[in-house]
Amino acid sequence: AQKVTQAQTEISVVEKEDVTLDCVYETRDTTYYLFWYKQPPSGELVFLIRRNSFDEQNEISGRYSWNFQKSTSSFNFTITASQVVDSAVYFCALSEADQAGTALIFGKGTTLSVSS
Amino acid sequence: DAGVTQSPTHLIKTRGQQVTLRCSPKSGHDTVSWYQQALGQGPQFIFQYYEEEERQRGNFPDRFSGHQFPNYSSELNVNALLLGDSALYLCASSLIAGITDTQYFGPGTRLTVL
Repeated sequence: AQKVTQAQTEISVVEKEDVTLDCVYETRDTTYYLFWYKQPPSGELVFLIRRNSFDEQNEISGRYSWNFQKSTSSFNFTITASQVVDSAVYFCALSEADQAGTALIFGKGTTLSVSS
Repeated sequence: DAGVTQSPTHLIKTRGQQVTLRCSPKSGHDTVSWYQQALGQGPQFIFQYYEEEERQRGNFPDRFSGHQFPNYSSELNVNALLLGDSALYLCASSLIAGITDTQYFGPGTRLTVL
């Protein structure tokens, strides 16, 4: 069965600290997609990144970077030099290719609080 | 480029009533998905519509039903409301025929059942 686990419920850091959000997933499919979304207090889920199971190349985008490792079924997200505006709930999600639709299975989220 | 829009923003109903939530997809998208997000939890998939048909359904009772119109907009209907239906309802749109199928979310409808 498909499952996404975000073991960290809450993380608090001080501005300019680096922070890594962990995500572990379970799937029987060989082709799947992984996502990270950010949910600020306003409530709208904001798409951050998508990764395909056949592309393990890690990515850096500004202060954000992602580490995808199929061997450990992990898709971790790092924010470098955190800022107060990064405070939000971050969700990791999984979508399997071998199904009728493209439903996203979300983890329970990690609440990140960045203080100045 | 208009994003995903949802209406209403907030809604208060009483147990046993029925509710209809509406969603307009992002311009160019043809697929709409609905999610329920209880307080402090991750979103849970309700169903997905493509070409005016339910393409995939999550583990939700038949009280939850939907519809997609020819212009790709969608409605979510919930009958016989229960207290436990209080949640943020999120709509997401995507392009099935495209190379990527990233779902983009609307601001949500906050439903409170008293």
